[in-house]
Amino acid sequence: DTAVSQTPKYLVTQMGNDKSIKCEQNLGHDTMYWYKQDSKKFLKIMFSYNNKELIINETVPNRFSPKSPDKAHLNLHINSLELGDSAVYFCASSQGGVNTEAFFGQGTRLTVV
Amino acid sequence: AQSVTQLDSHVSVSEGTPVLLRCNYSSSYSPSLFWYVQHPNKGLQLLLKYTSAATLVKGINGFEAEFKKSETSFHLTKPSAHMSDAAEYFCVVSPPTGGFKTIFGAGTRLFVKA
Repeated sequence: DTAVSQTPKYLVTQMGNDKSIKCEQNLGHDTMYWYKQDSKKFLKIMFSYNNKELIINETVPNRFSPKSPDKAHLNLHINSLELGDSAVYFCASSQGGVNTEAFFGQGTRLTVV
Repeated sequence: AQSVTQLDSHVSVSEGTPVLLRCNYSSSYSPSLFWYVQHPNKGLQLLLKYTSAATLVKGINGFEAEFKKSETSFHLTKPSAHMSDAAEYFCVVSPPTGGFKTIFGAGTRLFVKA
């Protein structure tokens, strides 16, 4: 069974479109994240969602909005896509508390053309 | 405040020779430290973690890392490289509360030559 699953794996879309990436975890974790990995492999956290508390990285444009219908899901919605949004987006989850590692999904490669 | 620096962007070794991937960190508190591996077109997988127990940590696939507080280092080593070790490796520092303030290093790409 896949612990953290993301869909779709690949997403190609035009500038200006709105798209969503879905994430589900079956580990029973209470915290989920979205990370963005750019072309230089640099990983940057975008959002953290813990028990309905959303923590936003303020450097993320407000075109990006996470939505968590329940503890096992954290979806990422992106409005008005731009070329610079092209990247690999990773969902992750962890059990909150000390010394906990994150479990990552396989990533969604978003290409904006 | 905390930060993590991976000292080499690329490391190239021959199969069967030792691997050393270097990581230095700074933290105002006792952090947790992790190494993750990312194979091409794959997600990140945890190799090992340090959580203030033993300073020498053993992970999966024969990797280990030693926490040296005096040097603020957490270098990753493996005695003998295998072709399947070729991947991107990330050193990660996390505060005691974990989560959002976790910081990833820039990554080290390991090449393994036959």
